[in-house]
Amino acid sequence: SQTIHQWPATLVQPVGSPLSLECTVEGTSNPNLYWYRQAAGRGLQLLFYSVGIGQISSEVPQNLSASRPQDRQFILSSKKLLLSDSGFYLCAWGQGYAGELFFGEGSRLTVL
Amino acid sequence: GENVEQHPSTLSVQEGDSAVIKCTYSDSASNYFPWYKQELGKRPQLIIDIRSNVGEKKDQRIAVTLNKTAKHFSLHITETQPEDSAVYFCAASGVLGNTGKLIFGQGTTLQVKP
Repeated sequence: SQTIHQWPATLVQPVGSPLSLECTVEGTSNPNLYWYRQAAGRGLQLLFYSVGIGQISSEVPQNLSASRPQDRQFILSSKKLLLSDSGFYLCAWGQGYAGELFFGEGSRLTVL
Repeated sequence: GENVEQHPSTLSVQEGDSAVIKCTYSDSASNYFPWYKQELGKRPQLIIDIRSNVGEKKDQRIAVTLNKTAKHFSLHITETQPEDSAVYFCAASGVLGNTGKLIFGQGTTLQVKP
């Protein structure tokens, strides 16, 4: 069966520090991968998605970036965090057509 | 691009009553409409979905209806229970390419009072 792992689960970082969140999927090949952000009390905002290794599409201009160095690995990064980057970050995978997305456990980021 | 509006943002019902959450979408090419439930501090999980070739789908106490002409769809929960309390998200996905990306509504916080 397919599983998705995301870490770290919680992170407290100072403004201006770098960020790296990692997500891996097991039990499937060539998945579509997604990063969503959920600000406190708000909806799920799509940040990036990837349909293959090295292929990244950005939905929202910001100081975050994403990379997909391997088929089942998706990384969210920032060189310098802003206060507004605080939130709950969710990685998800899908089969590549209009269908269910499966979410990871999430990473709660607090920028102080 | 696709935009999904969801109402209400909060909903409080008495246990045993029905709850209805409504969403509208902007892209007429969208053909897949899932509903996710998110309990506090946890990941969203799919509870029911519907495709554009179907007008209604039911799974026990949960049903979803779709009106393609009006570009809106709704979630209906009957005989609500305290464990139904959570945040519910609607979403829409289109057919273009193989992105499979979901655009979510803003969420509805449902509180079921015992």
